[in-house]
Amino acid sequence: EIVLTQSPGTLSLSPGEGATLSCRASQSVSRSYLAWYQQKPGQAPRLLIYGTSTRATAIPDRFIGSGSGTDFTLTISRLEPEDFAVYYCQQYDTSPYTFGQGTKLEIK
Amino acid sequence: QVQLVESGGGVVQPGRSLRLSCAASGFTFSSHTMHWVRQAPGKGLEWVAVESYAGSNKYYADSVKGRFTISRDNSKNTLYLQMNSLRVEDTAVYYCARDMGVATDYWGQGSLVTVSS
Repeated sequence: EIVLTQSPGTLSLSPGEGATLSCRASQSVSRSYLAWYQQKPGQAPRLLIYGTSTRATAIPDRFIGSGSGTDFTLTISRLEPEDFAVYYCQQYDTSPYTFGQGTKLEIK
Repeated sequence: QVQLVESGGGVVQPGRSLRLSCAASGFTFSSHTMHWVRQAPGKGLEWVAVESYAGSNKYYADSVKGRFTISRDNSKNTLYLQMNSLRVEDTAVYYCARDMGVATDYWGQGSLVTVSS
């Protein structure tokens, strides 16, 4: 099983700042099969990024995915109030299709 | 528009069974692989199971293997999760989600399953 470790667990920032979220895999993951999701309280997760760097439909260009191998990053430039949420990475390379434990992005 | 609506959740005693349903609309259900993902209260996401579009391939998380069965009825545009021998640790919101090949692009709003005596 591929274990995904996200860091930090919690990130406290102010609107307008930039955020960098990390996702590290226990073994190499194909760039094609790494995705990021956003989840707000009481809501289902929403797909943000797939294939490491491709934004899903209607996702603003301030969300940028990058990485390869075992290290992947979600960068959010110029945080908007609606960006404060929990973010999860997921690998689709090998079953079980594991998620990271999440990074909570909170308002400072 | 794509819609996924889960149902069948509720309170059940440990050791009992429950079946969840996910009614799909707004897309060609029979062309998409489908997943179940769960989230325990206050916890992160846990992938549970997947079934290919024709039902020929099914995979499970180790935590549910042998107890849960994923299935689908393409004539009814419905995905199922049969959950047997339920445990307290199976308590969670269960989401069904549509596969787009490299990620899951649409999710239902979830169905809460509470396992408690």
